[in-house]
Amino acid sequence: DAEITQSPRHKITETGRQVTLACHQTWNHNNMFWYRQDLGHGLRLIHYSYGVQDTNKGEVSDGYSVSRSNTEDLPLTLESAASSQTSVYFCASSDSPQGHEQFFGPGTRLTVL
Amino acid sequence: QKEVEQDPGPLSVPEGAIVSLNCTYSNSAFQYFMWYRQYSRKGPELLMYTYSSGNKEDGRFTAQVDKSSKYISLFIRDSQPSDSATYLCAMTTDSWGKLQFGAGTQVVVTP
Repeated sequence: DAEITQSPRHKITETGRQVTLACHQTWNHNNMFWYRQDLGHGLRLIHYSYGVQDTNKGEVSDGYSVSRSNTEDLPLTLESAASSQTSVYFCASSDSPQGHEQFFGPGTRLTVL
Repeated sequence: QKEVEQDPGPLSVPEGAIVSLNCTYSNSAFQYFMWYRQYSRKGPELLMYTYSSGNKEDGRFTAQVDKSSKYISLFIRDSQPSDSATYLCAMTTDSWGKLQFGAGTQVVVTP
């Protein structure tokens, strides 16, 4: 069955370190998204991609970067982790033009000390 | 002010009751309206979506959109303990799927 996976599921790091969160989907979807979820804020879009070599900034992109070298993967990098980036991160993918059918991964819980 | 407002709850109901959830929004350009369900420590999953105004029914779930009032609702009939989850509304304006989410409402259905 097609799926979307994230790794690691839990990560503890220190302020200033570079961290990369992996996202891999086997749906063969062109559109992929990274969100963060914080209490009281719901899901906020960090970066998104509509295909290979395409990346775009979302609502809360400062301090994050992504790259898309193939259809299946969209890794999210925190260049220099900050305590404000402690959150739960979700990756999603979609192939619907309207984007309403987004399939989410299980999430990565990141703690920055 | 957030584009999408949703009461975080928690909303506690007895088993068998009707659960009523809603969101309000400010952007009149929103065209697609979604409801996602999220169990604890899991990713959200799409429950249903509606295009423009009107109602949509799927089993025990009914979604309503009133664009004139900028108000959407989700009703869950005959609620079950397995319906206990956080329900997030989401909306998008354009054809390329950048969703705006509400904060989510936590629902607890007690046996």
